[in-house]
Amino acid sequence: QSVLTQPRSVSGSPGQSVTISCTGTSSDVGGYDYVSWYQQHPGKAPKLIIYDVSKRPSGVPDRFSGSKSGNTASLTISGLQVDDEADYYCCSYAGGYWVFGGGTKLTVL
Amino acid sequence: QITLKESGPALVRPTQTLTLTCTFSGFSLSSSGVSVAWIRQPPGKALEWLALIYWDDDKRFSPSLKSRLTITKDTSKNQVVLIMTSMDPVDTATYYCAHKRVHDFDIWGQGTMVTVSS
Repeated sequence: QSVLTQPRSVSGSPGQSVTISCTGTSSDVGGYDYVSWYQQHPGKAPKLIIYDVSKRPSGVPDRFSGSKSGNTASLTISGLQVDDEADYYCCSYAGGYWVFGGGTKLTVL
Repeated sequence: QITLKESGPALVRPTQTLTLTCTFSGFSLSSSGVSVAWIRQPPGKALEWLALIYWDDDKRFSPSLKSRLTITKDTSKNQVVLIMTSMDPVDTATYYCAHKRVHDFDIWGQGTMVTVSS
């Protein structure tokens, strides 16, 4: 069982927006502004898409955005595209180590 | 350009010790602030952070696996080695190494699949 709680699945149509939540505790998500998000297509390695809660690495479209409130972080994907269909994982620094969420499967209908 | 590649046995017997090597390029593990992590993913399941080693040889481990893990580096070979003892079928997973920036993992290797079976 993963330390951070994510919905198992979300879905949306092309052009729509979806939000994926990531709930932890004051010892991880709530205690540090060090939440990152990863996109993983089947058979591929994870790819960093958000770091430090809301920052985007170079090359990641601004359709991807992150936020945090208390012990819950969120990833929002706007203007959904077919290629956004993937698994998404949150990750948080937990004071000396890191923890991942259970992952969310995004289906683009 | 930073790249990492994992290598090791594809099959390990229960109770045996697993040794994985991460060979990287594009950065030096002797440079201040640099670190490399190991992360695994059982088939169809979530990512799990395992361990990390810093440029100054400081090490961090998952609390739940700490007793079974060893992590070392060889800066002359640009390699990081992960050792996991007492392997069990539940340890069957794809094992990734990744370059850590400040508090995220920006570049990942392709992963190496390890099956634990008799």
